Amino acid sequence: GAVVSQHPSRVICKSGTSVKIECRSLDFQATTMFWYRQFPKQSLMLMATSNEGSKATYEQGVEKDKFLINHASLTLSTLTVTSAHPEDSSFYICSALPIMRAFFGQGTRLTVV
Amino acid sequence: AQTVTQSQPEMSVQEAETVTLSCTYDTSENNYYLFWYKQPPSRQMILVIRQEAYKQQNATENRFSVNFQKAAKSFSLKISDSQLGDTAMYFCAFVYSGAGSYQLTFGKGTKLSVIP
Repeated sequence: GAVVSQHPSRVICKSGTSVKIECRSLDFQATTMFWYRQFPKQSLMLMATSNEGSKATYEQGVEKDKFLINHASLTLSTLTVTSAHPEDSSFYICSALPIMRAFFGQGTRLTVV
Repeated sequence: AQTVTQSQPEMSVQEAETVTLSCTYDTSENNYYLFWYKQPPSRQMILVIRQEAYKQQNATENRFSVNFQKAAKSFSLKISDSQLGDTAMYFCAFVYSGAGSYQLTFGKGTKLSVIP
């Protein structure tokens, strides 16, 4: 089946630095990928839709300048958390929906200290 | 806008018993897909079962089956012969397949604990 690989699985960074999270579709092409944020014991909250070759679509309340998304190829989308603060600490998950069946990356636990 | 409601924040079941998790949704669309995802402590999202709205037959996957009631907009998950490995968060999700939009809408989840 389709596989989505997300890297890194865990990252700790200092306040004020930037962190890049990669999401790759390994055996299919994904023109669209989705980025979610999940707080402890809560559901997945859609942050943005990543579109290959064009600008990402952000959900209301998500800061575009803080969460930069780049989808430069059909198999790679990246989320960069810029000038990270402790409140950005969370679990981030990417997803793609080939053939109307969603596949998820393993998730990235970001801790900002 | 589509909404998905899971009214049971937490549930527990004895090992080897059967449990049903409820899910209702609201949509004006006719063509859509429904999913149940499992999220164990590892937090990897795992597809449990998928149902196409145009299919009247309920989907089944081994010990997992759904009761899909399209008119009532209900999509419950039945887990038979519960196993300890079934302990996880379960999310019901909806995706509308029209207009090029494939955004998943999730319910808030049900935490299932299987008791030995």
